[in-house]
Amino acid sequence: NAGVTQTPKFRVLKTGQSMTLLCAQDMNHEYMYWYRQDPGMGLRLIHYSVGEGTTAKGEVPDGYNVSRLKKQNFLLGLESAAPSQTSVYFCASKESVNTEAFFGQGTRLTVV
Amino acid sequence: RKEVEQDPGPFNVPEGATVAFNCTYSNSASQSFFWYRQDCRKEPKLLMSVYSSGNEDGRFTAQLNRASQYISLLIRDSKLSDSATYLCVVNYWDTGGFKTIFGAGTRLFVKA
Repeated sequence: NAGVTQTPKFRVLKTGQSMTLLCAQDMNHEYMYWYRQDPGMGLRLIHYSVGEGTTAKGEVPDGYNVSRLKKQNFLLGLESAAPSQTSVYFCASKESVNTEAFFGQGTRLTVV
Repeated sequence: RKEVEQDPGPFNVPEGATVAFNCTYSNSASQSFFWYRQDCRKEPKLLMSVYSSGNEDGRFTAQLNRASQYISLLIRDSKLSDSATYLCVVNYWDTGGFKTIFGAGTRLFVKA
């Protein structure tokens, strides 16, 4: 089983460029999350979704947008990348509120 | 105050030692709790759930103290392979939906 797949795995952007990170899960999970992880900061929640067509803001949503048009996909967009968005981004999905979260392998993004 | 706080460590222990980590949370309505393990440059993976009655899995024991709002992880007879970062996770309902919040992690180094 593929589980949770993130694309791309690595990317270098110039300041001001835009990009979309794709998260796809094949487990029919309702809940999906986008986190960023920086040294010493742990995983911080950017946006999340409790079902197809829904999105909500997490701890650090500024500079990011998300969409959940299909249940299996959760897209994270950066409209105008900034060096402060250099980070490792993880997507996760869950079957229900109190169950295990499954993570993708992460996307390493560098903004120069 | 952060929603979920952990001692960042690092904890440096010899093989065979017993080590314990604590994690405090601020939302008294938190519903479920987990410990995850994250190896260097990898995605987090579930280590174990934390139940009100406590939970033991081999050398690992997790406990929940709702009155004091903390969870703990005890590792007995530490192995070299236990070296990793341990993340605590707290789930609760918020206005936007159900949130899954991670602590920043505690680093453990087990030495021969």
